[in-house]
Order: sequence, then C-alpha cells, then structure tokens
Amino acid sequence: NAGVTQTPKFRVLKTGQSMTLLCAQDMNHEYMYWYRQDPGMGLRLIHYSVGEGTTAKGEVPDGYNVSRLKKQNFLLGLESAAPSQTSVYFCASSTWADGTDTQYFGPGTRLTVL
Amino acid sequence: AQTVTQSQPEMSVQEAETVTLSCTYDTSESDYYLFWYKQPPSRQMILVIRQEAYKQQNATENRFSVNFQKAAKSFSLKISDSQLGDAAMYFCALYNFNKFYFGSGTKLNVKP
Repeated sequence: NAGVTQTPKFRVLKTGQSMTLLCAQDMNHEYMYWYRQDPGMGLRLIHYSVGEGTTAKGEVPDGYNVSRLKKQNFLLGLESAAPSQTSVYFCASSTWADGTDTQYFGPGTRLTVL
Repeated sequence: AQTVTQSQPEMSVQEAETVTLSCTYDTSESDYYLFWYKQPPSRQMILVIRQEAYKQQNATENRFSVNFQKAAKSFSLKISDSQLGDAAMYFCALYNFNKFYFGSGTKLNVKP
C-alpha cells in the first residue's frame, strides 16, 4: 500500500514549456485534490475531483488543467508554464467511506519555472 | 467565504514542555470539520488531529489535543511533553463542501 504518490519529485521548466504532474493513489478514494504551496501562504487549492470523470475549480485554477480519467489517477497540466507557477505542488486524496474524511497527502513536487 | 488564520508565524518550546498553537477561522456553515496537519522538512503533510464541528467534546490524540470554541471560531492545538520530532510546520485547515482551506502555517521549533 503506497498511499499517494507523485511523479516527478522535481522539475525545472523554461517559460512557455508544458508539463504534466501525475498523482496516483491506491486507497480507492473518491476525492482527489491538487494544491500549491508558496512560502508564507500555506496550501491553496488548484483543482479537485469528487469522482472519476469529474473535476472542479478550486481557489487558484488559472493556468492549470486537470483530468481524472481513472479513479486512481489525477493529472495536473501546465500548458504554458510561467515563473509565477514556481511552487511546491501537493496532491491529496480522501474518502467519506471510512467516516473520517481525512486527507492523505503525497510527498510533493518542487517545480521551478525559469 | 471560508478563511483560516494562523497568527503565529513561528513559535519555540523547550523539550518536554507544553505549547499551544492558535487558529481562528471564518465560515457561515454550521457543519464542517477542522484539522491540524504537520509538515516536517520532508514536506509530507501528516494528519495530527481532526475535529467535527457538531461535536462539543475536544478531540485528543496522545500528546495532542485541541481547544475547540465554536462560537468564537477558534481551534487551537496543544502539544504536551514536546519532543524534538515535533519540530515542523503546523497547518490548521477547515473543510466543507468538498474543499479544504488552509492557514498559512506556524513553524514550531523544539529546543533540547
């Protein structure tokens, strides 16, 4: 049981390049989330999904797209990276099934856009 | 709008002593959940404790306990018998309507 994993762990992009961050969970959770963490600002929700095939915007969705084609995977895409997207990105998953609604976080991806 | 405020950017505690981290929040909902998460240097977010808003009893997990004041919208975390391994960033979070809202965090230093 790996929990929540994120790929890659580190990435450096040039302005205008695109990339996809992969989040995978093996706990059969319905809900998945993408956050970004910037110094002094805590975590901010980018997009989230309440089930396979569904996505919704969070607090800071601009410049990002997501897809949830499979229940266990949640992809975060940057079509044209900007320096303002330099951040640490966290994926999380949760479920109501166990009655706790606790979020389980991945280890994070550090992205630098030059 | 939902907001979470942690007014203490950094705190220090002596090993084996007790420390309290503050958190206030704002929501117009009556049904919600509150969490404290710990983020060590490894960056992985770890759940510390969870509180359901409809429960009056304060949650407790070993050395960690909360003081939940619903009317005041306050949710503080008390760490007893502090250990060196408790050193980390601590985030307070509010959950409702499928979304989590996080505070800006409090960095806890533990002195040996």
